[in-house]
Amino acid sequence: AQSVTQLDSHVSVSEGTPVLLRCNYSSSYSPSLFWYVQHPNKGLQLLLKYTSAATLVKGINGFEAEFKKSETSFHLTKPSAHMSDAAEYFCVVSVLTGANNLFFGTGTRLTVIP
Amino acid sequence: KAGVTQTPRYLIKTRGQQVTLSCSPISGHRSVSWYQQTPGQGLQFLFEYFSETQRNKGNFPGRFSGRQFSNSRSEMNVSTLELGDSALYLCASSSRPGLRDEQFFGPGTRLTVL
Repeated sequence: AQSVTQLDSHVSVSEGTPVLLRCNYSSSYSPSLFWYVQHPNKGLQLLLKYTSAATLVKGINGFEAEFKKSETSFHLTKPSAHMSDAAEYFCVVSVLTGANNLFFGTGTRLTVIP
Repeated sequence: KAGVTQTPRYLIKTRGQQVTLSCSPISGHRSVSWYQQTPGQGLQFLFEYFSETQRNKGNFPGRFSGRQFSNSRSEMNVSTLELGDSALYLCASSSRPGLRDEQFFGPGTRLTVL
């Protein structure tokens, strides 16, 4: 079975401090992994994706994520939070099953305190 | 390049009615996928169309259907609406099928079922 778990529903950080959003996945197949961000009343925007190349993936706006197969994790990090980072973040797994499918985590709401 | 557009942006229907939502992908994109977002169930994949053929399907009842036209525009139909169908319906497009590439999301159609 395939699934994705975002370990924190809400993360609050001060502006200028590091961000860590945690994601664990389970997949019987080689997954593609994504992080998307959703600002209020907007669609989702891709931050970064892992597709079996480098395990450390750099994305837009200073975000990066590391694929750790042994820990089945794909945590999202950023060295220094900015007010504009406040949004909902989704970890997403795409698997090649009999029919391709996308599985979304439940989301992590990031609050940035000035 | 224009982004993914969805019409209408807001809809109010009553139980038992049916509804059709429209999605125009980014020019040149032939893959269109649909998602349902609710507070209770989060983001769930509905189906994907590529070159007018349904390629992948999530776990939704047959009341949810879709189609794609030769110009890659897609429509999603929900028949016999239920209260639980109230949701934000997101459409996304991609240049390749299979859901393993970046999905470009539209702003969504917010459906309210009374």
